[in-house]
Amino acid sequence: GNSVTQMEGPVTLSEEAFLTINCTYTATGYPSLFWYVQYPGEGLQLLLKATKADDKGSNKGFEATYRKETTSFHLEKGSVQVSDSAVYFCALNYGGATNKLIFGTGTLLAVQP
Amino acid sequence: DGGITQSPKYLFRKEGQNVTLSCEQNLNHDAMYWYRQDPGQGLRLIYYSQIVNDFQKGDIAEGYSVSREKKESFPLTVTSAQKNPTAFYLCASNPGIRGNTEAFFGQGTRLTVV
Repeated sequence: GNSVTQMEGPVTLSEEAFLTINCTYTATGYPSLFWYVQYPGEGLQLLLKATKADDKGSNKGFEATYRKETTSFHLEKGSVQVSDSAVYFCALNYGGATNKLIFGTGTLLAVQP
Repeated sequence: DGGITQSPKYLFRKEGQNVTLSCEQNLNHDAMYWYRQDPGQGLRLIYYSQIVNDFQKGDIAEGYSVSREKKESFPLTVTSAQKNPTAFYLCASNPGIRGNTEAFFGQGTRLTVV
């Protein structure tokens, strides 16, 4: 079946460090891919998305590229801030008749000043 | 502002009681979803609805029930049959099979059994 695998956390970084959170997926066909962010006690917010192979999603300094050949969608940021501390979720959706998001288990990022 | 509103933010349930969590959206979305989140775990799909008056079971539907009588509303009832209901519940919506596939989330309801 379709699934999403994320690197386990927590990921602890110092401010201004480079961030990578790995995400791979298992799916037939070509789903849309997403990264969501969740701050403590809140719902999920869409961070970025990519809808087809080789697309790059970007927002607030975060980037991820849809790699069909490696079935990956790794999240990167060149210089993290304390305010980036949150849980990050990778997800996929086929849309169409299935139209439901499948999430990874989430990765906790803690950025220290 | 358009969005999804979940209420209440915190809810306490006694053993053996049914409780209903509210989810309302004014985004004119066809599809709505309920997810459960446990500490340190991802989101698990409880129920979803692609259109008014229709809904399907997700991965963990046992002990839960839903209705979709209006496009804007998708309430979730946690019944006494749900043996471990303490969790964070998230409601989401998206435009449906005709539109973009990202989902928009409410702020969540934290349910605690006392």
